[in-house]
Amino acid sequence: NAGVTQTPKFRVLKTGQSMTLLCAQDMNHEYMYWYRQDPGMGLRLIHYSVGEGTTAKGEVPDGYNVSRLKKQNFLLGLESAAPSQTSVYFCASSYLRSGGYSNQPQHFGDGTRLSIL
Amino acid sequence: LAKTTQPISMDSYEGQEVNITCSHNNIATNDYITWYQQFPSQGPRFIIQGYKTKVTNEVASLFIPADRKSSTLSLPRVSLSDTAVYYCLVGDRRAETGTASKLTFGTGTRLQVTL
Repeated sequence: NAGVTQTPKFRVLKTGQSMTLLCAQDMNHEYMYWYRQDPGMGLRLIHYSVGEGTTAKGEVPDGYNVSRLKKQNFLLGLESAAPSQTSVYFCASSYLRSGGYSNQPQHFGDGTRLSIL
Repeated sequence: LAKTTQPISMDSYEGQEVNITCSHNNIATNDYITWYQQFPSQGPRFIIQGYKTKVTNEVASLFIPADRKSSTLSLPRVSLSDTAVYYCLVGDRRAETGTASKLTFGTGTRLQVTL
């Protein structure tokens, strides 16, 4: 049972390059999230998805795009990387509980450390 | 989302009980309280969640007074491996259909456990 797996774990990019971060979960969760964490700060929500084929903006969405073509995968794309996007990126997932209590604890991956020069 | 305030750091000796208090004066009726733990180079890990009174699991206890304006995470007999950052979050427990829990993580409380 892997939980939430993020690929790659580390990456160094040059300014202007593009890349995609992959998040995969094997818990059949409906909800998935992408966060970034900068040194000494808490996590900030970039984008999230409430189901396959749907995405929505979080607190800091600019410069990022996402896609959820399959329920188990959530991709985060940087079209033109900038030094300000140097950060640790965390993916999380949570399940939809019946009865309307949809906000369940989130399960996190171990992060992707991204440096942009 | 209700704003939370918690101490920046705490120190403890191994074997002691640690209580971390979080203030959330603007908590709403439908908000619940969740605590996460984060070790260096890892993602946050869910510890405990509650709405009122006391909740206990195999890892910790969560005490929530009647007015729910604060909550206290209690870690019994901490060990060196409990050294981590602890986050208190407050969020609506009933999201509208098609929306999701958009949790706001503050800077957390950095707990340092020593011998």
